[in-house]
Amino acid sequence: DAGVIQSPRHEVTEMGQEVTLRCKPISGHNSLFWYRQTMMRGLELLIYFNNNVPIDDSGMPEDRFSAKMPNASFSTLKIQPSEPRDSAVYFCASSSQQGAEAFFGQGTRLTVV
Amino acid sequence: DAKTTQPNSMESNEEEPVHLPCNHSTISGTDYIHWYRQLPSQGPEYVIHGLTSNVNNRMASLAIAEDRKSSTLILHRATLRDAAVYYCILREDSGGSNYKLTFGKGTLLTVNP
Repeated sequence: DAGVIQSPRHEVTEMGQEVTLRCKPISGHNSLFWYRQTMMRGLELLIYFNNNVPIDDSGMPEDRFSAKMPNASFSTLKIQPSEPRDSAVYFCASSSQQGAEAFFGQGTRLTVV
Repeated sequence: DAKTTQPNSMESNEEEPVHLPCNHSTISGTDYIHWYRQLPSQGPEYVIHGLTSNVNNRMASLAIAEDRKSSTLILHRATLRDAAVYYCILREDSGGSNYKLTFGKGTLLTVNP
């Protein structure tokens, strides 16, 4: 398996624009996590899904952030409208039902100017 | 979520053992102790996990105190490639894979040649 695949790897956008980050989890995994990493706040869990259902979205910072998982092989994290303080590296991770470890993607570096 | 406490940074010399401590005095009986590490410009990667007994794998060993209020990640022979931020995390197991991994600040390990 190619691992968790995130796209794009880098995104530069202007304030106020809509941004969509994409994640393809490892085949067969049924838990998916979205994290955000900044120097100031470290790695923050935004939301996680189990069997395509959002289980805990308490980490989503504002209504501007939304996440979907329409099927087991795809998830999106959308920010609308984007703001400069949203600039960060966003990671997606997946894990299996019985597995102990979570596998992370390479991340999407988002810059909002 | 139960919290962990780790030193901000540690240094080691190449080919010497490294002992990375973690305190988790509020751990509950069902919390697993997980360790992840994050190499520069990469996503976190799983290192090892345990519940009560000491664990060994190809990457490291995990020593868990008898009262489970602390643990130590042991790298037997540090290499330059082990330079990373090491995270100690408590994973609550609420059944199935309904759990979340909450990262703290971690320990920045520097390995000197």
